Amino acid sequence: DAGVIQSPRHEVTEMGQEVTLRCKPISGHDYLFWYRQTMMRGLELLIYFNNNVPIDDSGMPEDRFSAKMPNASFSTLKIQPSEPRDSAVYFCASSFSFGTETQYFGPGTRLLVL
Amino acid sequence: DAKTTQPTSMDCAEGRAANLPCNHSTISGNEYVYWYRQIHSQGPQYIIHGLKNNETNEMASLIITEDRKSSTLILPHATLRDTAVYYCIVRVQIYNQGGKLIFGQGTELSVKP
Repeated sequence: DAGVIQSPRHEVTEMGQEVTLRCKPISGHDYLFWYRQTMMRGLELLIYFNNNVPIDDSGMPEDRFSAKMPNASFSTLKIQPSEPRDSAVYFCASSFSFGTETQYFGPGTRLLVL
Repeated sequence: DAKTTQPTSMDCAEGRAANLPCNHSTISGNEYVYWYRQIHSQGPQYIIHGLKNNETNEMASLIITEDRKSSTLILPHATLRDTAVYYCIVRVQIYNQGGKLIFGQGTELSVKP
């Protein structure tokens, strides 16, 4: 298996622009997680999905952030409009179930908003 | 907030055992202890988890105290490639929703030649 796939790996954009991050979970996994990592706040869970349905979005920082999962093999995290404080590494992870199963993380997308 | 306390950093000599401690004094009876690590510029990687008993796999051993208030991750023969940030996580169980991973600051382990 190729593991969790994220694209792009690096993104540089200007303040005010829309940014879309993409994730392909491991086939057969029914949970998908979006995390954000910064030096100041560490690794934070933003939102997670079960069977394509958002379950908990309490970690989403504000309305500028939105996430969708149109099917079992694809999810997006969108920031509109982007701000410099959104600069971070965004990780996607997936797991087979949400009990004690482990989460497998993708390589992350490094976002820089100028 | 994270429910665990870990030292900020540790050093270990290559080839020696690395023992990483973690305090989780408020852990509940049905909460698991998970360990992940993050090598620089990569996504976190699962290492091991346990509930009450000690656990061992190909990567590491996990020793949980009898009162479950603390645990130790043991890398038996540390290599330079084990240099990473190690996260001890208590898996919060939410009724009918399983558990979320709440990452703390972790321990930065440096394995030195």
